Amino acid sequence: GENVEQHPSTLSVQEGDSAVIKCTYSDSASNYFPWYKQELGKRPQLIIDIRSNVGEKKDQRIAVTLNKTAKHFSLHITETQPEDSAVYFCAASLVWSNDMRFGAGTRLTVKP
Amino acid sequence: NAGVTQTPKFRILKIGQSMTLQCTQDMNHNYMYWYRQDPGMGLKLIYYSVGAGITDKGEVPNGYNVSRSTTEDFPLRLELAAPSQTSVYFCASIAQGADQPQHFGDGTRLSIL
Repeated sequence: GENVEQHPSTLSVQEGDSAVIKCTYSDSASNYFPWYKQELGKRPQLIIDIRSNVGEKKDQRIAVTLNKTAKHFSLHITETQPEDSAVYFCAASLVWSNDMRFGAGTRLTVKP
Repeated sequence: NAGVTQTPKFRILKIGQSMTLQCTQDMNHNYMYWYRQDPGMGLKLIYYSVGAGITDKGEVPNGYNVSRSTTEDFPLRLELAAPSQTSVYFCASIAQGADQPQHFGDGTRLSIL
């Protein structure tokens, strides 16, 4: 089955700096790559997603890039703010199996 | 719409006890999922369903059972609770297709002592 690896496991940045989180996936059949933000004790919430027919997608301070050849995708957060502090999860879905696999998560801390 | 509703929010079980975690959604979604999240870890898929009467195993199904008699409900059953099943359990749903964002419930925090 699909295997998703996520790096780094923890990331600390100063407010205003950029943060980058990277994920790799194993199955070239995967075609949907969402990113979720989870605050302490809360449910995961979708922040951005990308499909395999697109190389990059932006939504204000958040962007995701996808390299299908290398089978990796990244989350970019610019002008970070303290409220961006949370755990971020990447995921990849295998359309044929109706399955979605998650990375282990990155704990992002934005220092004021 | 209430979205995805999970009950209970917290529960403590003794080893060997059984219980059912409830999940219901009012969005008429066909696809429903159960995940477990261990402390500091990502989400592991336990079971999923693509419609009423259809269920399938995910990555970590051992020790659990599910049923899907209606579109709205997707309960998760633990028959013989073990300490290794201490975790936070999330239910999620999507309208159709694994290439859509999932809507998560608030989770059930389960401790087995």
